[in-house]
Amino acid sequence: QVQLQESGPGLVKSSQTLSLTCAVSGGSISIGSNYWNWIRQPAGKGLEWIGRMYIDGNTDYKLSLKSRITISGDTSKNQFSLKLNSVTAADTAVYYCARSGLGWKRYFDDWGQGILVTVSP
Amino acid sequence: SYELAQPLSVSVALGQTATITCGGTNIGIKNVHWYQQMAGQAPVLVIYNDNNRPSGIPERFSGSNSGNLATLTISRAQVGDEADYYCQVWDTSTAVFGGGTKVTVL
Repeated sequence: QVQLQESGPGLVKSSQTLSLTCAVSGGSISIGSNYWNWIRQPAGKGLEWIGRMYIDGNTDYKLSLKSRITISGDTSKNQFSLKLNSVTAADTAVYYCARSGLGWKRYFDDWGQGILVTVSP
Repeated sequence: SYELAQPLSVSVALGQTATITCGGTNIGIKNVHWYQQMAGQAPVLVIYNDNNRPSGIPERFSGSNSGNLATLTISRAQVGDEADYYCQVWDTSTAVFGGGTKVTVL
């Protein structure tokens, strides 16, 4: 089990870029047995998977967000990041980072506590 | 894109059995995972790969998956089981969540 902790600005202006970081402890993001994911949840609504990265640099993004998202990793700091461009009020949500495995372990077994990001006009 | 359908809410009497469904086309051929989310907290995995419980999850939680329907069953429901529950699958390289079901223990 690893621990994940999100950090970043809680307030972002509309049309600007949302940038969040997920610090990982208790395990290395360099180990090739995990994917590192971002998931968000607007207030009162359900979970929405945003995308994931693998340590070799490969990424998968939700199709509807693909043009605005970048997920990348920093092995020297054992963390990974989310950048979401051209944000609008619809991007206001609690953002979670989470770990998932490979093969038959493709479930989200470790989550961060979440960080609320509000997009202001 | 693949979609998962869950009932918005399920009510269960204390000590009875709650059944939460998750519908999807041929979901029976996919691995279904279930998450419990208490108010104001991050989700917690309660069932993985259809019917497996992670360490620390009570035996009262069980799952099944066949055809077009996956099910999470909570036996001997307790007040502490009140939460939102989400099913999840992978559609090739995209994770898909159901809309979530709010479980109320009466």
